[in-house]
Amino acid sequence: DTAVSQTPKYLVTQMGNDKSIKCEQNLGHDTMYWYKQDSKKFLKIMFSYNNKELIINETVPNRFSPKSPDKAHLNLHINSLELGDSAVYFCASSLGTGGAWGYTFGSGTRLTVV
Amino acid sequence: DAKTTQPPSMDCAEGRAANLPCNHSTISGNEYVYWYRQIHSQGPQYIIHGLKNNETNEMASLIITEDRKSSTLILPHATLRDTAVYYCIVRPSGAGSYQLTFGKGTKLSVIP
Repeated sequence: DTAVSQTPKYLVTQMGNDKSIKCEQNLGHDTMYWYKQDSKKFLKIMFSYNNKELIINETVPNRFSPKSPDKAHLNLHINSLELGDSAVYFCASSLGTGGAWGYTFGSGTRLTVV
Repeated sequence: DAKTTQPPSMDCAEGRAANLPCNHSTISGNEYVYWYRQIHSQGPQYIIHGLKNNETNEMASLIITEDRKSSTLILPHATLRDTAVYYCIVRPSGAGSYQLTFGKGTKLSVIP
């Protein structure tokens, strides 16, 4: 069983479209995250949810809207896609919010906006 | 989070130990040292973490200096599959420390 699973793995779409990426974890963790890795390979946190509550929103355009229906899921919806949104998006989860807990990452969703 | 400094790249011969250094001179007493790696096109993978003592698991060993200002990740017998970017990260231990902030890391190339 995959611990943190993302769907789809690849997503190619046109500018202006709206798309969603789904993430599910079966680890029983209560904190989930979305990271973006751009073409220069920098990994940057976008959002963090703890027990379905948004706790981090890192200067991300409001076209990006995370939704956490329950502790095991954190989906990312993107409106009006732009060329600059092309990147690999990683979902992650952790058991707690303190530094004693490591993160488990998904395998990523490669988004290409054309 | 305290900043870390890592060499941008390193080479290691297959079968030899890979020693990856990390400087974190501004680390606070309550901050953990974490190591992750990212193999090409995959999600980051947790390797090991420690606070003060040296740590060892099935993947690697983490050596933290007594003053905690630097650490070394040791892969005892590097294989070609260990080729990856390795990230050293420091992170507060208290609850509410939500972020894991990645730097540029060290690109380790294991050479046959």
